[in-house]
Amino acid sequence: EAEVAQSPRYKITEKSQAVAFWCDPISGHATLYWYRQILGQGPELLVQFQDESVVDDSQLPKDRFSAERLKGVDSTLKIQPAELGDSAMYLCASSLTGLGETQYFGPGTRLLVL
Amino acid sequence: GESVGLHLPTLSVQEGDNSIINCAYSNSASDYFIWYKQESGKGPQFIIDIRSNMDKRQGQRVTVLLNKTVKHLSLQIAATQPGDSAVYFCAENYSGNTPLVFGKGTRLSVIA
Repeated sequence: EAEVAQSPRYKITEKSQAVAFWCDPISGHATLYWYRQILGQGPELLVQFQDESVVDDSQLPKDRFSAERLKGVDSTLKIQPAELGDSAMYLCASSLTGLGETQYFGPGTRLLVL
Repeated sequence: GESVGLHLPTLSVQEGDNSIINCAYSNSASDYFIWYKQESGKGPQFIIDIRSNMDKRQGQRVTVLLNKTVKHLSLQIAATQPGDSAVYFCAENYSGNTPLVFGKGTRLSVIA
């Protein structure tokens, strides 16, 4: 069964450092999402891509976060500089077309900022 | 593994009993709903979905009920097993390319 891949699974960094997370969606899925999940809460959308284009980044803290999906396949989410409050699970999801469809999630990257 | 959520509502059921997890959604215009299961340290796993033109949908051991009048969604798990222990989230979506909005999770604990 096809799955969304993410790496690394865990990342520990010091505040003010840069971190990057990678996601490879299910093959053929045009829509890719990055979510942040704080312990005890549901995932919250950071950015949504349709192919290589950003369609929603309204909740992305653009002063420190950036995301790209240059070839419309895999994607990278970067944080620079990391802050203590960024400690969370970062989840990637994908869907076939994004129009009211099921989103399938990867295993996530657990980030701890010290 | 670490806990997905520390202060979530918790439902404890005996192994073999049926479980009912409830969710109140916020947007009366939402027309697509999904239940996800999230085990400790893992990403959410799709369980079942339902569109607003239906009020009930069944899967393997799971049933989702939708009551649009009171904006309520429920997930029923038949013959609950220890492997069902996890945090369950409902999510709603409005037609088109809009964000999936997650509800507050419920932790299901199965007592063997």
